Amino acid sequence: AQSVAQPEDQVNVAEGNPLTVKCTYSVSGNPYLFWYVQYPNRGLQFLLKYITGDNLVKGSYGFEAEFNKSQTSFHLKKPSALVSDSALYFCAVRGTYNFNKFYFGSGTKLNVKP
Amino acid sequence: NAGVTQTPKFQVLKTGQSMTLQCAQDMNHEYMSWYRQDPGMGLRLIHYSVGAGITDQGEVPNGYNVSRSTTEDFPLRLLSAAPSQTSVYFCASSSPGQGSLNYGYTFGSGTRLTVV
Repeated sequence: AQSVAQPEDQVNVAEGNPLTVKCTYSVSGNPYLFWYVQYPNRGLQFLLKYITGDNLVKGSYGFEAEFNKSQTSFHLKKPSALVSDSALYFCAVRGTYNFNKFYFGSGTKLNVKP
Repeated sequence: NAGVTQTPKFQVLKTGQSMTLQCAQDMNHEYMSWYRQDPGMGLRLIHYSVGAGITDQGEVPNGYNVSRSTTEDFPLRLLSAAPSQTSVYFCASSSPGQGSLNYGYTFGSGTRLTVV
C-alpha cells in the first residue's frame, strides 16, 4: 500500500535561513513523488516532482527536494527562506497501480519569521 | 483562465439537508477527483473519475455521491448532511499518463462547508 508521512506538524525558521520540510514514503514499486503548497484559502499548487533521474529536483519559487531511496525520504528544501514562503506544504505519492490516486501526507505548516 | 472552478466557496447546511458541490474544468482532463481536507489528516480521497460515465470510490465515500456525465463537470452530492462532513472540499483534475506524471493534479480553490 502507498502512504506518505510528514512527521512535523509545524516548522519554524527565520527569514534568510535554510529550511527543510520532511517527508517519508512507502510504496510498492517505483515512487512518483510530489510536493504541493497551499496558501490560506487557496487550493493546492504544484511545486515539484520526482519521477526518475537526479536525486535533487528543482521546482518553483526556489524550492528543491532530495530523493533518498535508501531512507525512503523526499525532503523539501530551500537555501534561504522568505516570509512569503509561509504556507502549508503537502507531500504526495502517486498510486503505483491506480495512477489517478494520489496519497497525501497530513501537511506541514511552515512559519518563516522576519 | 484555464483551471478548475468550484462553487460555492462557502456553505452552511443544517443537519439532514442535501446539496451539490459543483466542479468544472476546462483543460479537457480525463481524471477528476474530490478530496476533503481536515486538520491533521491531510487530504482524503472521496470519489474519483477516470472519464465521462466512469466513477469509483476513494477512501471516505460514505455519505457522498458523484456522477460524471461530461468530461468537464464532476459534481459532489451530499445526500443528508451530518456535522462530521464539516470540512474543506477540493476538486482536482489531471490528464492521464504522462500528463499526471508531469504535473500531478490541478486543484480548485475549495469549498468550505459547515454543517450545524
